[in-house]
Amino acid sequence: GDSVTQMEGPVTLSEEACLTINCTYTATGYPSLFWYVQYPGEGLQLLLKATKADDKGSNKGFEATYRKETTSFHLEKGSVQVSDSAVYFCALSDPNPNTGTASKLTFGTGTRLQVTL
Amino acid sequence: GAVVSQHPSWVICKSGTSVKIECRSLDFQATTMFWYRQFPKQSLMLMATSNEGSKATYEQGVEKDKFLINHASLTLSTLTVTSAHPEDSSFYICSANQGQGDEQYFGPGTRLTVT
Repeated sequence: GDSVTQMEGPVTLSEEACLTINCTYTATGYPSLFWYVQYPGEGLQLLLKATKADDKGSNKGFEATYRKETTSFHLEKGSVQVSDSAVYFCALSDPNPNTGTASKLTFGTGTRLQVTL
Repeated sequence: GAVVSQHPSWVICKSGTSVKIECRSLDFQATTMFWYRQFPKQSLMLMATSNEGSKATYEQGVEKDKFLINHASLTLSTLTVTSAHPEDSSFYICSANQGQGDEQYFGPGTRLTVT
């Protein structure tokens, strides 16, 4: 079945440091890939997504490129801020247009990022 | 826009009692709602998918008689944990979307503690 593996945290960085959170996946079809962020006390929010190979998703300075050859979707940011402190989840959905139902999401375990001054 | 709320945000109950958790889409009609369970330091695990007006589809290993899901309207789904036990203690999260392929919008979660 589908699965997502992401690096364990916590990741602790100083403000303005570079961030990379690794994510790899296995899927039977051609999934869409997502990064979700969960700020303290809040629900998950979609950070960025990519729907096909070589697509790059970007938002709020974060980027991730859909790499089919390495089955990866690593999250990167060139300069993190204290406000980026949160838990980041990599996820995939393996759409099946024949089922007529909304696509299910498969999540990684989440990586906690702590950014300090 | 696209806000999903959950109520309550946390609940403590005794073993053997039932607990109902509500999930509401506040500013859109949710054709599909999803219920997830999250253990500490673990991933979100999908429990079931519900479409308005029809029976929920449960994931393998999830007891449908224990976790009752009702999606009676396009803005409300409920999860009832029946005859709760301490091992049911967890963080329950719902999400909703407006149609096939649409982004899922997540609620803030409900922490259930069974004593």
